[in-house]
Amino acid sequence: GESVGLHLPTLSVQEGDNSIINCAYSNSASDYFIWYKQESGKGPQFIIDIRSNMDKRQGQRVTVLLNKTVKHLSLQIAATQPGDSAVYFCAAWGGYSSASKIIFGSGTRLSIRP
Amino acid sequence: ETGVTQTPRHLVMGMTNKKSLKCEQHLGHNAMYWYKQSAKKPLELMFVYNFKEQTENNSVPSRFSPECPNSSHLFLHLHTLQPEDSALYLCASSQTPLPAGNTIYFGEGSWLTVV
Repeated sequence: GESVGLHLPTLSVQEGDNSIINCAYSNSASDYFIWYKQESGKGPQFIIDIRSNMDKRQGQRVTVLLNKTVKHLSLQIAATQPGDSAVYFCAAWGGYSSASKIIFGSGTRLSIRP
Repeated sequence: ETGVTQTPRHLVMGMTNKKSLKCEQHLGHNAMYWYKQSAKKPLELMFVYNFKEQTENNSVPSRFSPECPNSSHLFLHLHTLQPEDSALYLCASSQTPLPAGNTIYFGEGSWLTVV
């Protein structure tokens, strides 16, 4: 079946360094992707999205890169701060009209070393 | 403040109890969703409502009963749950239901523990 997976369940980064969180998807028809941040005890928070007609999109301190050839996307966080500690997961839309065709990854927990 | 408010934030209930989760969105969206989030598992879609009409039921057991009186409010009625139903239940909304391209915004969730 279709899947969305993150490469690492956990990631530890030195404060001030850049963080890179990866996500792979299986459905080549996926045409829209979102990254969410979920802090402990809270619901998922929208960070940034990208459509399949783009390779890169930048937000405030975050950049999402999409490589459709290898069905991979990444979230880059610049100058990682303690407030960035959370679980990050990606979601991919399979090009369908059904909400059940949204596939969510299980998440990467980002921890920040002082 | 996400624009999607869920109550209660925490709920402990016995297997014979009846309780309800409530969700309200202040974003002017037309689609609302219930998701289940269990530890170390991806989000599982439960129900989708569009203009207060249910459009998807993702094979959810009948002990979960949703209700959507209008586009801004969504309930999840709980009855005779099992311990394995303990999870974080997330309400979400989007401008319209899919097709793709409509960002889904989540509430803070209701932590449910079934004892």
